[in-house]
Amino acid sequence: DGGITQSPKYLFRKEGQNVTLSCEQNLNHDAMYWYRQDPGQGLRLIYYSQIVNDFQKGDIAEGYSVSREKKESFPLTVTSAQKNPTAFYLCASSTRDRGQTEAFFGQGTRLTVV
Amino acid sequence: AQRVTQPEKLLSVFKGAPVELKCNYSYSGSPELFWYVQYSRQRLQLLLRHISRESIKGFTADLNKGETSFHLKKPFAQEEDSAMYYCALKTGRRALTFGSGTRLQVQP
Repeated sequence: DGGITQSPKYLFRKEGQNVTLSCEQNLNHDAMYWYRQDPGQGLRLIYYSQIVNDFQKGDIAEGYSVSREKKESFPLTVTSAQKNPTAFYLCASSTRDRGQTEAFFGQGTRLTVV
Repeated sequence: AQRVTQPEKLLSVFKGAPVELKCNYSYSGSPELFWYVQYSRQRLQLLLRHISRESIKGFTADLNKGETSFHLKKPFAQEEDSAMYYCALKTGRRALTFGSGTRLQVQP
């Protein structure tokens, strides 16, 4: 079953702790993305990666880190430096082929800081 | 800087009424524009893209470069159209830039 999988679906974190969100895809896509979704603000880009071992900061990268060691995986770490981490996080992937740039999204991870 | 603006947070219409969800963008080059939809308890998914010039579920959207708009339209709304709609812009190798979204409520 091809697609993009995020885990866990719900995650609780204590203040001051780092936490890592998983994102895996088996679509053979080169590009992967992390977005944060807050009510009334739409999706805001955190980080993106066009190819393995390379990634770029998005619009709200502060307090987050990523790695792209494998084509299939793009984990996001929410660090203790992120001042307002409670949010819904969406991972997406796409090809880099011109004209085929549709992004496919995971089901999301809802992170709550307690 | 590129930006996508969706001026309406909520659009409420009655079943059978026409629908127009507004989207304006700012970008000086040749953009790719998309509409994504998120139904309740489902993942965000592509509805349509401007390069395809297609109609999906009765929705159409025309890119107007002069007005930098990509409004989503449907002549007769259905209750199952109720969802969150996002307009998105892609330029070059950058990631998609999304608008803040419009919630469409279709009342019976």
